[in-house]
Amino acid sequence: GAVVSQHPSWVICKSGTSVKIECRSLDFQATTMFWYRQFPKQSLMLMATSNEGSKATYEQGVEKDKFLINHASLTLSTLTVTSAHPEDSSFYICSEGGNTEAFFGQGTRLTVV
Amino acid sequence: KNEVEQSPQNLTAQEGEFITINCSYSVGISALHWLQQHPGGGIVSLFMLSSGKKKHGRLIATINIQEKHSSLHITASHPRDSAVYICAAPKYSGGGADGLTFGKGTHLIIQP
Repeated sequence: GAVVSQHPSWVICKSGTSVKIECRSLDFQATTMFWYRQFPKQSLMLMATSNEGSKATYEQGVEKDKFLINHASLTLSTLTVTSAHPEDSSFYICSEGGNTEAFFGQGTRLTVV
Repeated sequence: KNEVEQSPQNLTAQEGEFITINCSYSVGISALHWLQQHPGGGIVSLFMLSSGKKKHGRLIATINIQEKHSSLHITASHPRDSAVYICAAPKYSGGGADGLTFGKGTHLIIQP
């Protein structure tokens, strides 16, 4: 199956700083990538749909100015958490596929201190 | 929007037991996913199915499109099967690229 590589796998940052998470498709071209987050003991939730060459589509309640998504090429989508706060601490994971077979990145555990 | 309900939330069983996890969804879909999440968070896709039944090793997934219900079965369960199993369906079911909505997961523990 397809391989999605996500980096970093974990990151600790100070409040107010920005953190960039990268998601690369290694063996296929992804016009669409999905970003999810999972708070402790909760289910995964769709944050946004990343579209190559166009603006991302954000789910209701997700601040587009805080969670910047860039999908400048068919193999790379990035999520930048800007001005991070402790409440942004969560597990972030990307995937390709939804109506088709889903391939997930390894996930990034973000801790904001 | 699709809603996904999964049960049970927690399941502890003895090695060798037959395991069943159930999933129901609210809106007709093109495909349903069964996923496995390990303690570190990593997610592995087990099955994607749109009709009938699929089998992979000791894992079997079935789906009834009319009843909007799917089940994941594990035969001859083993401690290494211990993980969180998650059912997921397209969130909007409108076709095209569609992100997923997830059940709350079933935390399975298989005791030796």
